[in-house]
Amino acid sequence: QQQVKQSPQSLIVQKGGISIINCAYENTAFDYFPWYQQFPGKGPALLIAIRPDVSEKKEGRFTISFNKSAKQFSLHIMDSQPGDSATYFCAASDRGSTLGRLYFGRGTQLTVWP
Amino acid sequence: SAVISQKPSRDICQRGTSLTIQCQVDSQVTMMFWYRQQPGQSLTLIATANQGSEATYESGFVIDKFPISRPNLTFSTLTVSNMSPEDSSIYLCSVLLQGTYEQYFGPGTRLTVT
Repeated sequence: QQQVKQSPQSLIVQKGGISIINCAYENTAFDYFPWYQQFPGKGPALLIAIRPDVSEKKEGRFTISFNKSAKQFSLHIMDSQPGDSATYFCAASDRGSTLGRLYFGRGTQLTVWP
Repeated sequence: SAVISQKPSRDICQRGTSLTIQCQVDSQVTMMFWYRQQPGQSLTLIATANQGSEATYESGFVIDKFPISRPNLTFSTLTVSNMSPEDSSIYLCSVLLQGTYEQYFGPGTRLTVT
């Protein structure tokens, strides 16, 4: 059973546009929600993460929005650039019981056209 | 953050042989994880390697097939034993940074079994 559901599977955005990737979860014990960016041939890189005590976190052009009641969180990439073209994975963790084990979404392949 | 290296970066192996993948991190960490990633797919956790104790394997993965060593706080190995073409995949190690929720990945080992 997929613990974290991610959509869309692929996304095409024009340069300068906003890319939005959504994730949903069921386990209310999850207390850490990171996003990873992966380029072909590379390992996933931690991009940004949020804890459930805040509703939004922004780092540069990347923003996580978190809706605890809906059990959903999303990644927004503002002013998307061709260099942002990569696969993005959302994840969730319950540090209390799983000691850092991450549950990953299926990934979103983002293509930004120049 | 943490700097993680993996060896080898890639290998082509014959059916029935074994390959040991090394993971080295530049700081002491308690938790290390081994993942498998099929091309274009998400990450699947193989096992958690906690220093000083036996590795904990996820459902579908067994110690005889994927023995793991964790001799100290900066190093771990994963062996893929008696390989078959179905073992062709990217194998990634990750570490949980102590005192944080942050998990960092190595560059991966691309394994092809012929």
